[in-house]
Amino acid sequence: DTGVSQDPRHKITKRGQNVTFRCDPISEHNRLYWYRQTLGQGPEFLTYFQNEAQLEKSRLLSDRFSAERPKGSFSTLEIQRTEQGDSAMYLCASSLAGGEPPGANVLTFGAGSRLTVL
Amino acid sequence: DQQVKQNSPSLSVQEGRISILNCDYTNSMFDYFLWYKKYPAEGPTFLISISSIKDKNEDGRFTVFLNKSAKHLSLHIVPSQPGDSAVYFCAEGHYGGSQGNLIFGKGTKLSVKP
Repeated sequence: DTGVSQDPRHKITKRGQNVTFRCDPISEHNRLYWYRQTLGQGPEFLTYFQNEAQLEKSRLLSDRFSAERPKGSFSTLEIQRTEQGDSAMYLCASSLAGGEPPGANVLTFGAGSRLTVL
Repeated sequence: DQQVKQNSPSLSVQEGRISILNCDYTNSMFDYFLWYKKYPAEGPTFLISISSIKDKNEDGRFTVFLNKSAKHLSLHIVPSQPGDSAVYFCAEGHYGGSQGNLIFGKGTKLSVKP
């Protein structure tokens, strides 16, 4: 297993266009997360899946954002009608319950997909 | 207001010396903290964790200390190596409930000079 894979690594788009990012988690992980990171900030939580069920969404996830994980494996994050404020690094992570400390949610992150909206 | 604060944006240390990275938090109801390290063009990678019921956790050159009365934790790296140069994030986590939501600080950029 090569870890969490994200595609594309960099996307440049014009304002108003739609973009889609794909994430392939570690195969045995049943939890998948999307975070967003802007310059000088830490990662900010967007949404979380357990298997195919989307269990939590941040208020940061506006109506223009939609995430899916149709078969409980890979996930897509779509941004419709992009705005310049959407420019950020979009990070995907996956995890499996357990670990140290017990029950801690240790996320394994991908390298991210950088979005630039012109 | 930020729930997890890393007040030092950057830190420069000489190789072989100790690096101390600090993190303050406001929510006493956390269950654990995680430290992540991030190199440019890579995603954050997990480094070390500490449970709320402990005050210290050690893993090789890395030790995390938790001071609950001060709502403060720190990561010590001894001895520091040039390969430790990266951005370090602390993140607060909770069991149950909001399991998806790790709350990250803004990060501290560590530079270890040879």
